[in-house]
Formats: sequence, C-alpha cells, structure tokens
Amino acid sequence: AQSVTQPDIHITVSEGASLELRCNYSYGATPYLFWYVQSPGQGLQLLLKYFSGDTLVQGIKGFEAEFKRSQSSFNLRKPSVHWSDAAEYFCAVGATLFGQGFSFIFGKGTRLLVKP
Amino acid sequence: DVKVTQSSRYLVKRTGEKVFLECVQDMDHENMFWYRQDPGLGLRLIYFSYDVKMKEKGDIPEGYSVSREKKERFSLILESASTNQTSMYLCASSQSDTQYFGPGTRLTVL
Repeated sequence: AQSVTQPDIHITVSEGASLELRCNYSYGATPYLFWYVQSPGQGLQLLLKYFSGDTLVQGIKGFEAEFKRSQSSFNLRKPSVHWSDAAEYFCAVGATLFGQGFSFIFGKGTRLLVKP
Repeated sequence: DVKVTQSSRYLVKRTGEKVFLECVQDMDHENMFWYRQDPGLGLRLIYFSYDVKMKEKGDIPEGYSVSREKKERFSLILESASTNQTSMYLCASSQSDTQYFGPGTRLTVL
C-alpha cells in the first residue's frame, strides 16, 4: 500500500542552524513527491515538488529536497533556519486515483520549532 | 496565482445541525478535494471530485456528503453534525499534479 512516513513529530532547531526534515515513502512506481508547509491557522503552501530528472530540487523560501530512490526518501533541507520557518511541514506522494485525476497521500507532519 | 477560498474560517454548530462548508476555486481546475486535519493524524481525504457532478469517496467519508454542481464550487455537507466531527477542514483543487489549498475552516460542534 502507498504510504508516507515522517518519523519526527517535533523538531527544534536554533535560528541560523541547518535543518533536515525526514520523509520516507512507499509507492510501487516512480513517485511524484511534494513538500508543503502550514503556518499556524493557515492552509498548506507548496514548497517544492519532484517528478523526474535532477534528484535535488529547489523550492521557495530557500528550501531544497533530495530524492533518493534507494532509500525511498525525500528529505527537506535548509542551510540556515529563520524564526519565520516555524510551522508544520508535510510530505506527500501523488498517485493516480482510479485512473481519474490525481490524489495525494500525506504524512502526518513534522512541527518545527525555532529557538532564538 | 491560484486562489482557493473557503466560506468560513471559524464555525460553531450544535450537535444534529446540518452543516455546509463551501469551497470555491478560480483556476478552472478539474479536481477538488476535501480533507480533515486532526492533531497527530495529518490530513485525511474525505471526498474528491474530478468533474462536475462526479464524486468519489476518500478514506473517511462516513458522516459526510458532497456536492459539485459547478466546476468552481465543491461543498462538503455534514447531514447531522456530531462532536467527533470537530476538526479543521481543508479544501484543495488541482488540474493534474499539484494541489492548491484553501485557508481551512475550523469547525467546532458542541
């Protein structure tokens, strides 16, 4: 069955430190992979996505993610975290649903706390 | 920019009431989705629609129904609200491979 696992429920980093959020997926074919961010009280905003090609993808707000097929992972990274990055982050895999449209399976999220 | 709007940011209803949550998108997207979001459970798909008047059940459709009479509008209906339906409800739309989300409706059922 298709699934997405985000092993870390909470992560705390100091402002200016580097960040890596983990995501592992289970999917039979080449996956479409996404990272979304949700600020408190808001909807989800797309950070970046991977469909094919270069396995290192760049997104908005200085984020990047690397697809590693051998590890079934799509980890999100940022070299220097800002206080405004405090939010909840969701990894998702896209799947064709019943041959109609495209649906998504989301991980349970990782809440990022940033210490001053 | 894609815009997905939801009719209410916050809603308080009583047990047994019929509740309508409305979602409108302005990008002529084919697909629309309703999720509920609960702490520790992430996003769970309730229903989705890939065309006008077409709908498919997601992972947790019990207690909900949907309506899509126009392409831009997708409504979630709670026929008889219960306290266990207190949650954040998120609407999304997509044309193919990327979903765009509305701001969410936080529903409290008393």
